[in-house]
Amino acid sequence: EVVLTQSPGTLSLSPGERATLSCRASQSVSSSFLAWYQQKPGQAPRLLIYGASRRVTGVPDRFSGSGSGTDFTLTISRLEPEDFAVYYCQQCGRSSSTFGQGTKVEIK
Amino acid sequence: EVQLVESGGDLVKPGGSLRLSCATSGFTLRDVWMFWVRQAPGKGLEWVGHLKNHFDGETTDYAAPVEGRFTISRNDSTNTLYLQMTSLKTEDTAVYYCCRDVPLTFGALHIWGPGTMVTVSS
Repeated sequence: EVVLTQSPGTLSLSPGERATLSCRASQSVSSSFLAWYQQKPGQAPRLLIYGASRRVTGVPDRFSGSGSGTDFTLTISRLEPEDFAVYYCQQCGRSSSTFGQGTKVEIK
Repeated sequence: EVQLVESGGDLVKPGGSLRLSCATSGFTLRDVWMFWVRQAPGKGLEWVGHLKNHFDGETTDYAAPVEGRFTISRNDSTNTLYLQMTSLKTEDTAVYYCCRDVPLTFGALHIWGPGTMVTVSS
């Protein structure tokens, strides 16, 4: 099973700042099958990025994904008030899938 | 419009069984992979399992903690996905989400239901 470790656990930033979230895999993951989600309290998660860097239609372009192999990054270029939430990475596969434990982006 | 709505969540005793349903609309159920994901109170997301489409053999895969206890199935005539849960444990307490993925991504979950709560407690 691929284990995904996200860091940091919590990121305290102010609106307008840049957020950099890391997702490290225990073994190499195909970039085609790495996704990022945003979850706000009381809501279902929302897919932001798939294929490591492909933004879902309607997701603002301040969100970008990058990386390959075992190291992936979600970057939010300038935080808006609605971006404060928990973010999860996920690796998908033909027979299984795993999520990272999440990074909380909170207002400083 | 593509829509997923789960139902069937309840309070059940350890060792008991429960069947969750996911009503789907806006697409042909047999043509897509469907997934169940859960989230324990205050915790992160956990993939439960998936049911592949008819192109990929309609087979299922499950996470280790639920293998042998949970079964995913569907009824194409009613456009409903199911999660049959048996031998429930307290650690199965969670919100259960039904999801559909972006085609050909093996699980980038684009469409989510609102979730249904399952509580396993004596």
